[in-house]
Amino acid sequence: EPEVTQTPSHQVTQMGQEVILRCVPISNHLYFYWYRQILGQKVEFLVSFYNNEISEKSEIFDDQFSVERPDGSNFTLKIRSTKLEDSAMYFCASRLSRRGEQYFGPGTRLTVT
Amino acid sequence: GQNIDQPTEMTATEGAIVQINCTYQTSGFNGLFWYQQHAGEAPTFLSYNVLDGLEEKGRFSSFLSRSKGYSYLLLKELQMKDSASYLCAVSGVMYSGGGADGLTFGKGTHLIIQP
Repeated sequence: EPEVTQTPSHQVTQMGQEVILRCVPISNHLYFYWYRQILGQKVEFLVSFYNNEISEKSEIFDDQFSVERPDGSNFTLKIRSTKLEDSAMYFCASRLSRRGEQYFGPGTRLTVT
Repeated sequence: GQNIDQPTEMTATEGAIVQINCTYQTSGFNGLFWYQQHAGEAPTFLSYNVLDGLEEKGRFSSFLSRSKGYSYLLLKELQMKDSASYLCAVSGVMYSGGGADGLTFGKGTHLIIQP
């Protein structure tokens, strides 16, 4: 069964450093998403991406965040200058059409020290 | 603001039935989703309602009333492996950009199954 994959599974970085989280969505899916979940809190929407551009973003997705689909398979989230409060699990998701279920990847646990 | 409310924790017995309620007040709506999340893992899709009524899928059923801003997830024949958090999520909230397809989640209901 096709699945969303994410690398790395765990990333430790120092405050102020740049990190890139990588995702490979399900191959025929067209809509891509990033969410985050701070430990013990709810899942929060960050950004959606369609047709090589951002279609929607939340207040959390400020100028330190960017997304890119550099080739036909990868979808990346970059955090330019990490802060302690960026420590969270970051989930990538994809879906075939604009409605219906989103399939989540296993997540990248980001720890900022 | 967006409000999606569900009970924090519920306890049920193996083999029994449990109903997890979710109420929502959001700026937009085009569907309600239920996801299961085991600790430290990703959410996995359970059900999707866009119209009023009941959707049944094996041991899981989900109900939606759009006029009441209300949904529930019904789990039958509970098994120990059903111990997890159950997340209610709404699609259609308007964020910046207008795509309205990101999911807005509630805090989740932690379901404990006892033998």
